[in-house]
Amino acid sequence: AQSVAQPEDQVNVAEGNPLTVKCTYSVSGNPYLFWYVQYPNRGLQFLLKYITGDNLVKGSYGFEAEFNKSQTSFHLKKPSALVSDSALYFCAHGGATNKLIFGTGTLLAVQP
Amino acid sequence: GAVVSQHPSRVICKSGTSVKIECRSLDFQATTMFWYRQFPKQSLMLMATSNEGSKATYEQGVEKDKFLINHASLTLSTLTVTSAHPEDSSFYICSARDPGVGELFFGEGSRLTVL
Repeated sequence: AQSVAQPEDQVNVAEGNPLTVKCTYSVSGNPYLFWYVQYPNRGLQFLLKYITGDNLVKGSYGFEAEFNKSQTSFHLKKPSALVSDSALYFCAHGGATNKLIFGTGTLLAVQP
Repeated sequence: GAVVSQHPSRVICKSGTSVKIECRSLDFQATTMFWYRQFPKQSLMLMATSNEGSKATYEQGVEKDKFLINHASLTLSTLTVTSAHPEDSSFYICSARDPGVGELFFGEGSRLTVL
């Protein structure tokens, strides 16, 4: 079965420090991986995606993610966290049908 | 950019009543839309795929008679929660794919509270 896993329920980081939100995947065939962010009582906002090509993907708001095939990971990163980055982050896998399978989400808390 | 709009954003209803939630693609046509349900502090669960002009495709375990989906036009899909009960209280989110840019866009979500 296709799945993505986010092993951390919450990540705490101080403002200005680098952040990493982890995601691993288990899919058959080529992985189509996404990161979304959700603010309280809001829908999801697209951050970035990996379909093919360069393993380092750059996205919105200074976020990037590295696709690692050997480790089946797609961790989200940002060099310097902002308090406004505090939100719920979802990793997802999707294919040609656009049906997305979401991870359980990771709450990012950035302390000032 | 493309926008997907949901209405209402919040609704409170009495147990036993039916509630309709609308999902509109505002500046593109969407032959397919998706409905998700999100419980507090949990992930999104895909409920069904809404297909314009045909029946929706429901995920396993989702009651199609409970959650009625209608996709009557290329810009509108509706989710009706019939005979709602408190356990149906949740955050419902729709998404639609803009074929022009090949991206999925999500609505802002609708919070349903059944008393």
